[in-house]
Amino acid sequence: QKEVEQNSGPLSVPEGAIASLNCTYSDRGSQSFFWYRQYSGKSPELIMSIYSNGDKEDGRFTAQLNKASQYVSLLIRDSQPSDSATYLCAVNVREYGNKLVFGAGTILRVKS
Amino acid sequence: EPEVTQTPSHQVTQMGQEVILRCVPISNHLYFYWYRQILGQKVEFLVSFYNNEISEKSEIFDDQFSVERPDGSNFTLKIRSTKLEDSAMYFCASSRGQGSTGELFFGEGSRLTVL
Repeated sequence: QKEVEQNSGPLSVPEGAIASLNCTYSDRGSQSFFWYRQYSGKSPELIMSIYSNGDKEDGRFTAQLNKASQYVSLLIRDSQPSDSATYLCAVNVREYGNKLVFGAGTILRVKS
Repeated sequence: EPEVTQTPSHQVTQMGQEVILRCVPISNHLYFYWYRQILGQKVEFLVSFYNNEISEKSEIFDDQFSVERPDGSNFTLKIRSTKLEDSAMYFCASSRGQGSTGELFFGEGSRLTVL
């Protein structure tokens, strides 16, 4: 069974701080990794994708991937109350094809 | 910005009834998916669809489930005889391709309540 693990939280950070969200995965052959944001009662919204080791930055978001450690993280700089949501880590467990396995998500609360 | 649209947003049905959930994927996307999320649980893969056939399906996607692309725009999920445990949010998603073009974009979801 291919698993994606996240700390459920909640992770509480003050407004303006850096939020750090972490994810580990079990399938060493996975090649594509995604972070989604999900507000309560809404659908997952794609924030970042990352495919190679290292960092990838997009605005206030940085995704980090370490395939040797089977670890993906998401940093949110200058956190805003509107960032309060559940952050889902998703891993494509297929080399050919797309099948995303989702983690249970980390609840982030940004306090003003 | 193009988006995946789903109807209905909420459906209430009696156990044993048939339900059809509808989706219009993003127009230049070639891969289509259904996922579901039971309240408070993980988002789970149900099925992927490409070139008018199922590419992969999960253990959840048993004989009670079917998918169809009846025309050039719609993608449907049918549940033949609903059970109480089918109550969930069902998300349609689409992607342009696979690998580095395999980013999935989700619709707003259809909430199914089985009584």
